[in-house]
Order: sequence, then C-alpha cells, then structure tokens
Amino acid sequence: DVKVTQSSRYLVKRTGEKVFLECVQDMDHENMFWYRQDPGLGLRLIYFSYDVKMKEKGDIPEGYSVSREKKERFSLILESASTNQTSMYLCASSRGFVNSYNEQFFGPGTRLTVL
Amino acid sequence: TQLLEQSPQFLSIQEGENLTVYCNSSSVFSSLQWYRQEPGEGPVLLVTVVTGGEVKKLKRLTFQFGDARKDSSLHITAAQPGDTGLYLCAGFVTDKLIFGTGTRLQVFP
Repeated sequence: DVKVTQSSRYLVKRTGEKVFLECVQDMDHENMFWYRQDPGLGLRLIYFSYDVKMKEKGDIPEGYSVSREKKERFSLILESASTNQTSMYLCASSRGFVNSYNEQFFGPGTRLTVL
Repeated sequence: TQLLEQSPQFLSIQEGENLTVYCNSSSVFSSLQWYRQEPGEGPVLLVTVVTGGEVKKLKRLTFQFGDARKDSSLHITAAQPGDTGLYLCAGFVTDKLIFGTGTRLQVFP
C-alpha cells in the first residue's frame, strides 16, 4: 500500500510565524506535490517536484517555498504566515514520468489555521 | 489558468436514488480523472478516462468523457450511504492536474 504521511493533522500558528509542513512517502515515487484545498475552489497546486532538489511553481506559489533534499520527503514552507493562508494543505506523490495515466496518492491533509 | 466547474456543488439525496455530477471546462484535456475524498482523508482516484466519448463503469458508478474532451460526467445508480463524500474531477494538461471545484454528496439511509 502506498502511504503518504503528513507531519500534523491540525496546526494553529500566529501571523508572521514561519511554518513548516512535512510530507513523507514510502513508495519511492519520483514526483511530489503540494496543494491547498478551499471550499468551492477545489485543489490548487502550490509547488511540485520531479526529483530531489528540483522544484517547479504551481498555480499559486506566492507566499510559499518548498524543499526536497531527499526523494521521500517534500516540505512546504510558509515564510511569514498570513491569515489568508488558513486552509487545508494536501501532499501527494506519483510514480514515473508525469503523464495523463499517473495516479496521484494523497496524504490525509494538514488543516492550518493562522490567527 | 484552466477552470473546471462542477455542478451541483452540493447534493443531498436518499439511499436508492440516482444522481449525476457534471464537470465542465472550455479547455481541452488529454485525460480526466475522478477522485473521491472522505472526511479526514485525502482524495482517492476512482477512474481515468482518456479517449473522447469514453465510458467507464465501476460497479454502480458510470463515468463519461465528452467527445470534445472538455467535459465529463459521473452517474451513480442506486446511491448508498457509503457513496457519501466529496467528488473531484481533475483534468490533465501538459504536466499538471487541474482540479475541479468539487461536488459534496450526502446520501441518507
């Protein structure tokens, strides 16, 4: 069974704090993704990575950065959290060359509240 | 940014009823996927459709990809409480999945 785990299910932070969200997958997948999920907006891609030390901007990268030092781990960083970053954050991974047949495997999500 | 609009946004029905969820866009996609997300979990892939006009069946769920590859539908026959969840369509463009706005389905016993 593919397993994608996220470091926290719930997180409460204050405006201006630096926030780290960690994601680990155990199936040796090449590709990893960070999404945020908001009601009525579906999932929006923040950043993705095809390989170690590689990153690509998604549709909404502003205010976020990522790090992929090891193949199994992909971290999302909020340099200075703001209230509009309150959301559900989902990590996903997939195998091989990214194409239309790939299945993405998702973690359970981290619900982040920024006060 | 391509948009995938789903309708309806919410659906509340009794066990045994049939329903259809729609996923529409003005963009053409090379393939389209449907995911279901249950409370407290991440989305899980149900099906991938890749050919215009393609129909796939998964037990009581029927998925169709539009002829022009711009839209898709999910039909559930005789819905059961276990079908409750958030249904998301996702279209594949180049190297990214674009997710739809979601349809939240509640099936009451």
